Amino acid sequence: ETVLTQSPATLSVSPGERVALSCRASQDVGTSLAWYQQTPGQSPRLLIYETSSRATGIPLRFSGSGSGTEFTLTISRLESEDSAIYFCQQYKNSNTWRPWFTFGQGTRLEIK
Amino acid sequence: QVHLQESGPGLVQSSQTLSLTCTVSGGSINTGTYYWSWLRQHPVKGLEWLGYIYYTGSTYYNPSLESRLVISIDSPNNQIALKLKSVTAADTAVYYCAKALGFGVSNNWFDPWGQGTLVTVSS
Repeated sequence: ETVLTQSPATLSVSPGERVALSCRASQDVGTSLAWYQQTPGQSPRLLIYETSSRATGIPLRFSGSGSGTEFTLTISRLESEDSAIYFCQQYKNSNTWRPWFTFGQGTRLEIK
Repeated sequence: QVHLQESGPGLVQSSQTLSLTCTVSGGSINTGTYYWSWLRQHPVKGLEWLGYIYYTGSTYYNPSLESRLVISIDSPNNQIALKLKSVTAADTAVYYCAKALGFGVSNNWFDPWGQGTLVTVSS
């Protein structure tokens, strides 16, 4: 099982600022990493897949980078609606016929 | 745009079987492009992938749950179902269905997700 560790656990920033959220994998996942946003009372929403590809309808303010074991989600020009929990998910499986997907524990982002 | 909606009992007795249904609208589940998934979210343990099913009926399960889990497909009604047997308090969570897409069987992300349904296991 690949363990994903996200940091920081919580973050409080001001509108208009830029923030970088980290996701570290316990083993090499290549570029097989996605990011999700979960606002209160809602289900997770896909932001980024394949490390850096934005999902449909996701603003350019959201960008992803990294490879191997170190990944970053960067959010620029923060807005109040960005207050949410952000999760990373890996989908690198060495056994093609035995998939196992894991998620990080999340970073809670508060916009002051 | 595909929409997914979970339904089922919100309360299940310990040692019994948890049964949920996911109804897919806005698209057919009989497409060879996607896998139809179940995930859950514990208050403390976080997000966990349970398993998914292809339109052919092929299933793939989280190894930690596969002895208790069955996912099935009801093509005429455009639904997928989950049955988790011998539940305990540790199975209390919000259960989501989601469409999985990506690169074949084992390289997938999830989009979109249903709104989720809270299932509480009581003793």
